[in-house]
Amino acid sequence: DTAVSQTPKYLVTQMGNDKSIKCEQNLGHDTMYWYKQDSKKFLKIMFSYNNKELIINETVPNRFSPKSPDKAHLNLHINSLELGDSAVYFCASSQPTGTGNTEAFFGQGTRLTVV
Amino acid sequence: AQSVTQLDSQVPVFEEAPVELRCNYSSSVSVYLFWYVQYPNQGLQLLLKYLSGSTLVESINGFEAEFNKSQTSFHLRKPSVHISDTAEYFCAVSGGFNKFYFGSGTKLNVKP
Repeated sequence: DTAVSQTPKYLVTQMGNDKSIKCEQNLGHDTMYWYKQDSKKFLKIMFSYNNKELIINETVPNRFSPKSPDKAHLNLHINSLELGDSAVYFCASSQPTGTGNTEAFFGQGTRLTVV
Repeated sequence: AQSVTQLDSQVPVFEEAPVELRCNYSSSVSVYLFWYVQYPNQGLQLLLKYLSGSTLVESINGFEAEFNKSQTSFHLRKPSVHISDTAEYFCAVSGGFNKFYFGSGTKLNVKP
């Protein structure tokens, strides 16, 4: 069974469109994340949710709106797509402890190309 | 605040040679430390982690890393690399605040 699954794997769309990426984890973790990986492989956190509540929003444009219907799902909706949004988006989950979070489990990524 | 520095963006090495990928972190609190590997067009996979206990941790495919608190380092080593180890390697820390800080990655290129 896939621990963290995200769909679609590839997404090609035109500027100005609205698109969504879905993520589900079956690990029972309380925390889920969205990361953006740019062309230089740099990983930047976008959002962090803990038990369906937004914990971190790292100065992401408000065209990006995450939604967590339950703690196993964290979807990402993007409005008015721009060329600069082209990247690989990773969903991840982890379990918080008193000291920090145990390892994050990552999905396979969604390669978004805006043309 | 926390941060992670991977000093080497690329490390070329010949097959069967030893390799060390460097990672330094800064944090004002206790942290967990991780190394992840990313093969081309794939997601990140956990290679090894330090949570507590022995400062030397090992992976199933021959990598090891040592947590050095005084030098705030968590360097990754392998005594003999294979072509299949060619990938991008990311060091990460987690110390609360519900997020992981990742380094900028080191591309390990193993040549025959």
